Amino acid sequence: NAGVTQTPKFQVLKTGQSMTLQCAQDMNHEYMSWYRQDPGMGLRLIHYSVGAGITDQGEVPNGYNVSRSTTEDFPLRLLSAAPSQTSVYFCASSPEGLGGNTIYFGEGSWLTVV
Amino acid sequence: GENVEQHPSTLSVQEGDSAVIKCTYSDSASNYFPWYKQELGKGPQLIIDIRSNVGEKKDQRIAVTLNKTAKHFSLHITETQPEDSAVYFCAASRGNSGNTPLVFGKGTRLSVIA
Repeated sequence: NAGVTQTPKFQVLKTGQSMTLQCAQDMNHEYMSWYRQDPGMGLRLIHYSVGAGITDQGEVPNGYNVSRSTTEDFPLRLLSAAPSQTSVYFCASSPEGLGGNTIYFGEGSWLTVV
Repeated sequence: GENVEQHPSTLSVQEGDSAVIKCTYSDSASNYFPWYKQELGKGPQLIIDIRSNVGEKKDQRIAVTLNKTAKHFSLHITETQPEDSAVYFCAASRGNSGNTPLVFGKGTRLSVIA
């Protein structure tokens, strides 16, 4: 069982570069989301999706874009990387709603912007 | 919106002792309270959850208590073992009502000393 798969695991970007963090899940979950984790800040929601073709903003969406063309994939795009986007990024999926049942997280993507 | 406060931020206990982590929330409409464990280099994983119609829930060495009147809930780990060392996050949401996402606390780093 692959679960939620994120790539890449580690990435170093220069300020102003763009990149895409990939996320795929094989559990046929309707709900997917992206969080960032910073020291002392816990997990903060960036964007989420309640199904293919539907996305919405979370708590900290600025500087990020998402799309959901299939149930399985939910990529996160950094448009013009800034040092403030240095963080650990987690993709997650859930079968029933965004906050009422188990959320399954990927293993994380460590991003450094220099 | 919801605000979740978590204490302490770090906790060290001797192996075999108990550990208690406390969280408070602000939204009286929140009715779902999960706890996630994050091991080093991994994504968070659900370990136990409680809903507002229940005051306490146990699963082997872990238990969660909820006081809706006071808007606080706690995680209790008894007979701690070295493998309990991790970062623990509490969270709160209105369940699946309106698809409101989880709001996480900032985390507690638990160290179990052998």
